[in-house]
Amino acid sequence: DQQVKQNSPSLSVQEGRISILNCDYTNSMFDYFLWYKKYPAEGPTFLISISSIKDKNEDGRFTVFLNKSAKHLSLHIVPSQPGDSAVYFCAASDFNDYKLSFGAGTTVTVRA
Amino acid sequence: DTGVSQDPRHKITKRGQNVTFRCDPISEHNRLYWYRQTLGQGPEFLTYFQNEAQLEKSRLLSDRFSAERPKGSFSTLEIQRTEQGDSAMYLCASSLGADNEQFFGPGTRLTVL
Repeated sequence: DQQVKQNSPSLSVQEGRISILNCDYTNSMFDYFLWYKKYPAEGPTFLISISSIKDKNEDGRFTVFLNKSAKHLSLHIVPSQPGDSAVYFCAASDFNDYKLSFGAGTTVTVRA
Repeated sequence: DTGVSQDPRHKITKRGQNVTFRCDPISEHNRLYWYRQTLGQGPEFLTYFQNEAQLEKSRLLSDRFSAERPKGSFSTLEIQRTEQGDSAMYLCASSLGADNEQFFGPGTRLTVL
């Protein structure tokens, strides 16, 4: 069963505007959430994470928001740049279980 | 480069053949993970090592699959009697201690004809 869901397979955004990627999860035991970015022919690269004790974490142009009651998190990229064009994966883990559960990914295309 | 490395990057094999992949984690990382990714999906967990001990295996890991991590350093993933359904990207990741952040290698793309 898919415990982490990214319901938007693709997102197109103009350069300089905000990209918002969404992710929902079903397992209430998840307490750590990560976003990975993947270019073709490369492995996923860690982008940003958030623990369940927080509701926001910011790193430069990237901010992740967590809504535990809704079991929902989002990644905001501001401003979007052409180099941000990639597949973004949401992942989650349980503190007692180190494996990551991934969503299916969202392909972001930043238009010039 | 001190990241996670995987070898080979690509493998084409005929159905029924055995294949073996290698992963070299970041040197100080004691945890090593194998994932499989198919087209249009996110990576799916296969198995996990802490040092040389294999601590968890997914139901996806049939008895045709075996993984080892001798001496707690590099790891190998072997698939025996490959099937067309084994065609996928096999990803290795490593992490340090209790960190949940996993660092991924570039993957090995397997094509079974």
